[in-house]
Amino acid sequence: EAQVTQNPRYLITVTGKKLTVTCSQNMNHEYMSWYRQDPGLGLRQIYYSMNVEVTDKGDVPEGYKVSRKEKRNFPLILESPSPNQTSLYFCASSLTRDGKNYGYTFGSGTRLTVV
Amino acid sequence: GNSVTQMEGPVTLSEEAFLTINCTYTATGYPSLFWYVQYPGEGLQLLLKATKADDKGSNKGFEATYRKETTSFHLEKGSVQVSDSAVYFCASRDSSYKLIFGSGTRLLVRP
Repeated sequence: EAQVTQNPRYLITVTGKKLTVTCSQNMNHEYMSWYRQDPGLGLRQIYYSMNVEVTDKGDVPEGYKVSRKEKRNFPLILESPSPNQTSLYFCASSLTRDGKNYGYTFGSGTRLTVV
Repeated sequence: GNSVTQMEGPVTLSEEAFLTINCTYTATGYPSLFWYVQYPGEGLQLLLKATKADDKGSNKGFEATYRKETTSFHLEKGSVQVSDSAVYFCASRDSSYKLIFGSGTRLLVRP
């Protein structure tokens, strides 16, 4: 089954303790992206990657890092989490070909609470 | 920059009522437009899309028409069901492939 898999689904952590949220897709998609969802704000892009070793900042990148060493994986790293990073996070991937983008597939989300 | 504005919720309807959720966008050029749906505890699923002016996207009884003149992409359904209760997001996609989302509208359908 074609899917984007995020882990963990739920995470409660303490301020300053480094954590990684994993994201993996099995569709050989070039484009991957991370979003955070907050009430009243919709989804906002954190980082995106056009392909292996190519990453760039989205609209709210502060406090986050990403890497794209393999095509299928796009982990989100919080080096020193703070309470304002408490949110619902979504990973998404998309097929791109000949300069066109063919729609997103979203993961099921990771609910992160930083205390 | 580009943005998407959609009506605030929650929208509460009785089963079989007519649904409209308003969505307007600002963009340079002509973005592709989407409606996504999020059921409780789940990720986002693509509901429908339109890629150019006057296109009508449709799926599961939902429809939306890309109106360039009014920069709108309103979501409609003629007869809602309890199972349609969810959060609906309008989104546009710019040339960098980034999806730009509205704030979401929660729909609650009562039996």
